[in-house]
Amino acid sequence: QSALTQPPSASGSPGQSVTISCTGTSSAVGAYNYVSWYQQHPGKAPKLMIYEVTKRPSGVPDRFSGSKSGNGASLTVSGLQAEDEADYYCSSYAGTNTWVFGGGTKVTVL
Amino acid sequence: EVQLLESGGGLVQPGGSLRLSCAASGFTFSNYAMSWVRQAPGQGLEWVSHIISSGTTKFYPDSVKGRFTVSRDNSKNTLYLQMNSLRAEDTAVYYCAKAAWGLGGSFSGAFDIWGQGTMVTVSS
Repeated sequence: QSALTQPPSASGSPGQSVTISCTGTSSAVGAYNYVSWYQQHPGKAPKLMIYEVTKRPSGVPDRFSGSKSGNGASLTVSGLQAEDEADYYCSSYAGTNTWVFGGGTKVTVL
Repeated sequence: EVQLLESGGGLVQPGGSLRLSCAASGFTFSNYAMSWVRQAPGQGLEWVSHIISSGTTKFYPDSVKGRFTVSRDNSKNTLYLQMNSLRAEDTAVYYCAKAAWGLGGSFSGAFDIWGQGTMVTVSS
């Protein structure tokens, strides 16, 4: 299974929005509405931020939103805050109980 | 509190073996599928194995198939990863992760609870 493609970095000023892309394949992102996004602060475990493309788990601010079009997906963080500075990973179910992750995007709050 | 706690990591020589454990608490472990996900130093996440709630069916990516074996003991609320024929490229932090349910208990394709990770270093 090929890893999903993410830009290595993204940045924005406090209060601005940043969008992270995640490019997959027709057998992963394109085939299923099971795209997830995880936030990871240095030295910490990943935290689920978005699942099933657009859904937010309880406790995740509505500043975080997800979308999908074709073989690509995106995570948008609106109203950037200092605590949003972290690495973000996309993931897609790839069928038959297998998963693929992206390489990660480091978000910097300027 | 819902929690996963990994243990068993350490330094092992190439070709060696190691068994990781993941102790679950705060939820009905036997109801949920579980996965192992690893992260090499400075790198991204890589899915390593998946086991359904009953433990009867298991899945692996090609990178570890035939070398790694996932198992679980629902009576002990514990997930395991037996790693054999270890290579330098297996060096990573290994996380156990709980499969999340979607609305109404449906499949969601996501992992909502992660452990703190255990470091495995393969080096001579």
